Amino acid sequence: NAGVTQTPKFQVLKTGQSMTLQCAQDMNHEYMSWYRQDPGMGLRLIHYSVGAGITDQGEVPNGYNVSRSTTEDFPLRLLSAAPSQTSVYFCASSRNQGVGTEAFFGQGTRLTVV
Amino acid sequence: SQQGEEDPQALSIQEGENATMNCSYKTSINNLQWYRQNSGRGLVHLILIRSNEREKHSGRLRVTLDTSKKSSSLLITASRAADTASYFCGIQGAQKLVFGQGTRLTINP
Repeated sequence: NAGVTQTPKFQVLKTGQSMTLQCAQDMNHEYMSWYRQDPGMGLRLIHYSVGAGITDQGEVPNGYNVSRSTTEDFPLRLLSAAPSQTSVYFCASSRNQGVGTEAFFGQGTRLTVV
Repeated sequence: SQQGEEDPQALSIQEGENATMNCSYKTSINNLQWYRQNSGRGLVHLILIRSNEREKHSGRLRVTLDTSKKSSSLLITASRAADTASYFCGIQGAQKLVFGQGTRLTINP
């Protein structure tokens, strides 16, 4: 099983460019989320989704958009990249959040904005 | 702001010793989870403890939860070089799973 797949693994953007980070899971999980990880800051929640068609903001949502048109995919969009968005981005999924089940993480996308 | 705080931020011990990491949080929780992250990789789930549980074991791992103090601890017994990694507690609320900044554990041979 592929689990949670993130693409691309690495990306360099110029300030002001836009891009979409892709995340797909093949486990039929309801819950998906995006985190960013910066040195010394741990993981911070950007956006999350409890099911197709439903998204909500996390701790640091500014500068990012998400949508969830299918159960499998949860793309993260940067409309106008800024150097402050240089980070490692992780996508995660879990069966549901109400009961509480383990989250499965992708391998990350390392983004540099110059 | 992050809702979990791990302590210590870094821990270095000799192989074979026990390692203890602590996590404190601010809000009510459904459960608390511990994850490991090897350098440059995604997080891997280790153990989950529900809010009505006080202690849980899994192999060399022991987790405790004190909801009155809003704190949890992760004990790794008989540490091995392969345990070198960063460890994060995940605070599970009604919908969000949030993390602290982690504890960097180094096992010296």
